[in-house]
Amino acid sequence: SSELTQDPAVSVALGQTVRITCQGDNLRRYNANWYQQKPGQAPVLVIYGKDNRPSGIPDRFSGSSSGNTASLTITAAQAEDEADYYCNTRDISGNHQFGGGTKVTVL
Amino acid sequence: QITLKESGPTLVKPTQTLTLTCTFSGFSLRTLGVGVGWIRQPPGKALEWLALIYWNDDKHYSPSLKSRLTITKDTSKNQVVLTMTNMDPVDTATYYCGHRLGATGLDYFDYWGQGTLVTVSS
Repeated sequence: SSELTQDPAVSVALGQTVRITCQGDNLRRYNANWYQQKPGQAPVLVIYGKDNRPSGIPDRFSGSSSGNTASLTITAAQAEDEADYYCNTRDISGNHQFGGGTKVTVL
Repeated sequence: QITLKESGPTLVKPTQTLTLTCTFSGFSLRTLGVGVGWIRQPPGKALEWLALIYWNDDKHYSPSLKSRLTITKDTSKNQVVLTMTNMDPVDTATYYCGHRLGATGLDYFDYWGQGTLVTVSS
């Protein structure tokens, strides 16, 4: 599929680890990026190029990839990590695509 | 410091053409590898990529919206303009522009504007 598929929602207990996945054929060829979006705010890049963190992003955020699946892991999740998370990649034509988003709830 | 800001009408009527401007600072669209893209988000829904223009004027469009979109740049004004024709209420969304960086194995939007909400209604 040329689409990116994410689970709609996941929950994690405070201080525990959560993994968010993103599936799509283009992930076999191109790296995934991950964005965090809080209500009423613009998305913020948290992982790019599969497992690179921009300056200022805590190291509890990490990325990985295998086959057609990319993952974002939040280790020791904090209350402020509660947000929507979107994966993103491109295709062979240079067109971008975003996943449907995963709502992360920190309990 | 890189900043981007979207501007344009907040309300358009069905069938009208929407013109949005992204005004940016802190980078040049003459720099190799740099691009500016547009992404939208209907209320309560997911992000949707629309278009992207590169430093070399190469342009890419969402296949599903390609017939309605045009993206251009004015490097002297540090602006990128997106036009979308034949607007419909389903096009109601917050429209974002983003700074795109690319290199071998890398292609991502590292800076985003605050977004502008466009409502399509008669």
